[in-house]
Amino acid sequence: GAVVSQHPSWVICKSGTSVKIECRSLDFQATTMFWYRQFPKQSLMLMATSNEGSKATYEQGVEKDKFLINHASLTLSTLTVTSAHPEDSSFYICSARGSGGLYGYTFGSGTRLTVV
Amino acid sequence: DAKTTQPPSMDCAEGRAANLPCNHSTISGNEYVYWYRQIHSQGPQYIIHGLKNNETNEMASLIITEDRKSSTLILPHATLRDTAVYYCIVLYSGGGADGLTFGKGTHLIIQP
Repeated sequence: GAVVSQHPSWVICKSGTSVKIECRSLDFQATTMFWYRQFPKQSLMLMATSNEGSKATYEQGVEKDKFLINHASLTLSTLTVTSAHPEDSSFYICSARGSGGLYGYTFGSGTRLTVV
Repeated sequence: DAKTTQPPSMDCAEGRAANLPCNHSTISGNEYVYWYRQIHSQGPQYIIHGLKNNETNEMASLIITEDRKSSTLILPHATLRDTAVYYCIVLYSGGGADGLTFGKGTHLIIQP
């Protein structure tokens, strides 16, 4: 089945630094990748959608200059949280969708970001 | 504007069938019903999906009412590892570039 690898699974960083999270589709080509954020005891909130080779589309209220998304290949998308602050601490999850199949939404295992 | 309505929580005894309801009264003819679950601190996991016929796979069964306004996910023999938040999502069959919209889901707790 389709597998999405997300790395790192957890990271602690100092306030003001940047953190990069990687999302890889291991056995299929992901034409579209999605990034979600989840705060404790809340549901997943879509942050942005990225298509290979084009600029990401951000949801309303998500700062594109703070959450940089790169989808340079059909198997890799990265999310960089720039100048992280404690309020950016959250669980970040990526999802990849292949070019076919109605059940093509496969999720990574998530990244727990803690900014201190 | 939520497209689906689910009870916030449910309990089920281990070994019994867990029946999770979902209301999607505004579903349109070209929208599928999808079920995902999220075990604590993990990414969501696909369970099953259907359009109008009942579906079964190795994980669960999906029963969709004839008018398609509601559905039930059935875990036939629940185990402690089935404790998770279960999300019912309606999705346009054309797919496209839209991400999944998650509601609050149902927190299913399997009791020993």
